[in-house]
Amino acid sequence: GAVVSQHPSWVICKSGTSVKIECRSLDFQATTMFWYRQFPKQSLMLMATSNEGSKATYEQGVEKDKFLINHASLTLSTLTVTSAHPEDSSFYICSASGWTSGSGTQYFGPGTRLLVL
Amino acid sequence: DQQVKQNSPSLSVQEGRISILNCDYTNSMFDYFLWYKKYPAEGPTFLISISSIKDKNEDGRFTVFLNKSAKHLSLHIVPSQPGDSAVYFCAASAGRGGSNYKLTFGKGTLLTVNP
Repeated sequence: GAVVSQHPSWVICKSGTSVKIECRSLDFQATTMFWYRQFPKQSLMLMATSNEGSKATYEQGVEKDKFLINHASLTLSTLTVTSAHPEDSSFYICSASGWTSGSGTQYFGPGTRLLVL
Repeated sequence: DQQVKQNSPSLSVQEGRISILNCDYTNSMFDYFLWYKKYPAEGPTFLISISSIKDKNEDGRFTVFLNKSAKHLSLHIVPSQPGDSAVYFCAASAGRGGSNYKLTFGKGTLLTVNP
């Protein structure tokens, strides 16, 4: 149980375009979803926390107009990287948490590799 | 300010032996701790967790020990297997593991189990 999927698994786009990444909890209801970014050989950096039906809470230094998060249902959250630039190239990972997933443990998706040319 | 620290970037162990991964934290508000395993280009996989009301939690080959007074936790893997080779992240949250509490991660320790 507690499976989280992400789509796409990797994407290459041109500078200036927008990219949408989907995160789905497949077998439990995720009251909260988290979006992380990981740079090579670094830890996971939390970008934002989103609760179903409400606005996301962004971490300090993360531009909310740049990284749009929508948590429209208990099983789906999306991250849209708007007007992507090469410095946005990174590994983006979502996680989902809910009481049905077990004591608030976060379960992670497989990640999305974004390369902006 | 690194609130969760994994001071050993790497650890090498022989197959069959015990692997001990260490983690220290500074925030006394943390009361729920987790260990994740991560392969390259994949999301972290949850291994085991422990609440601050306990000092030990065991699940198969994995045991997590928590020493609150020292603000230290460790993950023991016995016996270690080559398939355990991965990066292990320690994470902590404040709020007794509530579903909407964010995790703070350490930088990870690369475990290599040699056949």
